[in-house]
Amino acid sequence: NFMLIQPHSVSESPGKTVTISCTGNSGSIASNYVQWYQQRPGSAPTALIYKNDQRPSGVPDRFSGSIDSSSNSASLTISGLKTEDEADYYCQSYDLNNVLFGGGTKLTVL
Amino acid sequence: EVQLVESGGGLVKPGGSLRLSCAASGFTLIRHSMNWVRQAPGKGLEWVSSISTTGIYTHYGDSVKGRFTISRDNSKNSLFLQMDSLRAEDTAVYYCARVWDSGYGIDYWGQGTLVTVSS
Repeated sequence: NFMLIQPHSVSESPGKTVTISCTGNSGSIASNYVQWYQQRPGSAPTALIYKNDQRPSGVPDRFSGSIDSSSNSASLTISGLKTEDEADYYCQSYDLNNVLFGGGTKLTVL
Repeated sequence: EVQLVESGGGLVKPGGSLRLSCAASGFTLIRHSMNWVRQAPGKGLEWVSSISTTGIYTHYGDSVKGRFTISRDNSKNSLFLQMDSLRAEDTAVYYCARVWDSGYGIDYWGQGTLVTVSS
């Protein structure tokens, strides 16, 4: 079964840049679009990136998404980190008709 | 303003049933496929089910297949999830989620409704 693998946690300092990876365990991650969601503690998820690298209106351009076929992975990059970026981040894609989520990455900004 | 408001959660015994509803407003429901996504306490997101714009096509995660049924009533701007044969491992917050009009990904999420399966 196709799965999306994310690091359990990452941490970085305010003002720095952090990249969160999402790796497909088989097949090609580029075969389907990848989305990213942010979930702050106690809140519902919100959309950050869709169709690999598109930002919904209202999402700051500090957030960017990309795909690297050579490593079979997608990445979410957050630049100019703010304490408010501390949250869980999930990647999402598809396997045939099934919706897949990565296990989530907890970002700590300290 | 797009709003998705879930209801129907609560405490139910193992083997019991529950019907979740999602009231949609601020957009035309028939233009969007919809999903149910759940999150067990302290765990990550898990896709439960999806339904096409007219309801013709439905899909389910392996863990709920044969026990849950997704449906929609576009005339009433509502999405539903009928949950039967509930198990302790179904305990989670259930989110109603709207799919982008492009058909890929989720653009809006409800605030969720908590389902607790316990004796």
